[in-house]
This record gives sequence, C-alpha cells and structure tokens, in this order.
Amino acid sequence: AQKITQTQPGMFVQEKEAVTLDCTYDTSDQSYGLFWYKQPSSGEMIFLIYQGSYDEQNATEGRYSLNFQKARKSANLVISASQLGDSAMYFCAMREGLGNNNDMRFGAGTRLTVKP
Amino acid sequence: AAGVIQSPRHLIKEKRETATLKCYPIPRHDTVYWYQQGPGQDPQFLISFYEKMQSDKGSIPDRFSAQQFSDYHSELNMSSLELGDSALYFCASSARQGARLETQYFGPGTRLLVL
Repeated sequence: AQKITQTQPGMFVQEKEAVTLDCTYDTSDQSYGLFWYKQPSSGEMIFLIYQGSYDEQNATEGRYSLNFQKARKSANLVISASQLGDSAMYFCAMREGLGNNNDMRFGAGTRLTVKP
Repeated sequence: AAGVIQSPRHLIKEKRETATLKCYPIPRHDTVYWYQQGPGQDPQFLISFYEKMQSDKGSIPDRFSAQQFSDYHSELNMSSLELGDSALYFCASSARQGARLETQYFGPGTRLLVL
C-alpha cells in the first residue's frame, strides 16, 4: 500500500507568491519523521525540512514551512515568496520507527514550475 | 560544509558488464544508504549500513552487493547489468541522533546508463 501520497503531479505558481504542495501519509507507528526534498533538473536531492511526529510546532526553515496536521495525517510543504530557482521536483518522504528502521519511503513527487 | 561525495557521476556500461559505485559520506556520519531512482520515478531504497554492518535491506537485486569500509565509505557493486538497471543511484548519509530520526543527506548521484 502507498505510504506517501502526493496528489499533485504538477503545480504552477507565479513568482513572489506562496504555494502549498500536498502530502498525506499512512502509518500505524506513533514515532515517525516526515521529510521534504527538492530535486532540480540537475538531479541532486536537496533536503529542505523535517517534521517529527512528536514535534508540537510546525517546522520552518527560511521560506519553507511544514503544515503538519497529525490527525489528518498530512504534512504539506508551504513555500513563501516563490523564486524562479524553486522550479523543481519536490518529494515528500517518511521514515517510521526509531533508530534502526532505515527505510525511507518517498511519494511520487510534485513538479513545481514558477512563472515569471 | 562538506557533502556526500559520489563517484563516478556518470557511467555507461553494456549489458552483462559489472559496475562499482562509490560513496563517501559526510564526515562523522556513521550510516550510509543507497537508493535507485528510475526515470520519472521516486527513489527506491536498496540497502543501508551502520558502523560498517548492513542494517537494513530494501529492493536490492541479488546481482547487487554493497559494503561499508573502515573509513565509512561505501561501494555498491552491480554485476550482470541489465537495461533496466539504467537509473540514478543515490547515496545518502546520516548521523545517529539518539531518539530523533536522523535526516538523510543525499549525494549528487551516479547516473548509470546500460546499453
């Protein structure tokens, strides 16, 4: 069964505007971590932001913030003041359990295009 | 800041040949992970090592093997290559943070093309 669901294959946003990329997840574990990665056309996978299941506050990193709604099992990424360089593929990922459980599952990704 | 280093960055092989991909983790990171990302796909976990011991295994074919060495670098050995092995291979590394799930930092990837 799909653990991470990203329902938006592609998104467009105007430069300087904010955009929300959706991510829902499925787990029965109490302890888990949610991650967002950015993959530009050059191919590298860039870590953006992390949210732990026990974190009470939504994670923020510069222009990135994570809208974490635990009861709904969603972890949407919000990018504020979009820039042309934000155009890329964005992956939501989850790791379950603690320590030795290394398997990180990725969603199918959302391709974001920032329009000038 | 130092990042994960992967070599080579690009590799072209023919069917049935072998390939070795190398990964040098971020200094003081003790865990290395390998992922395979096919064209238009999300990354799929292959295998991981913690303190030079295999710690978890994902969808790694039997034709592939990997190890982590005493200096923490890791190598992914791929034999009897098939056309379907053409993909971007990522190495990632992390450092144990007690009870907190550690973030995996990815290398730039090795793009393998099997002809």
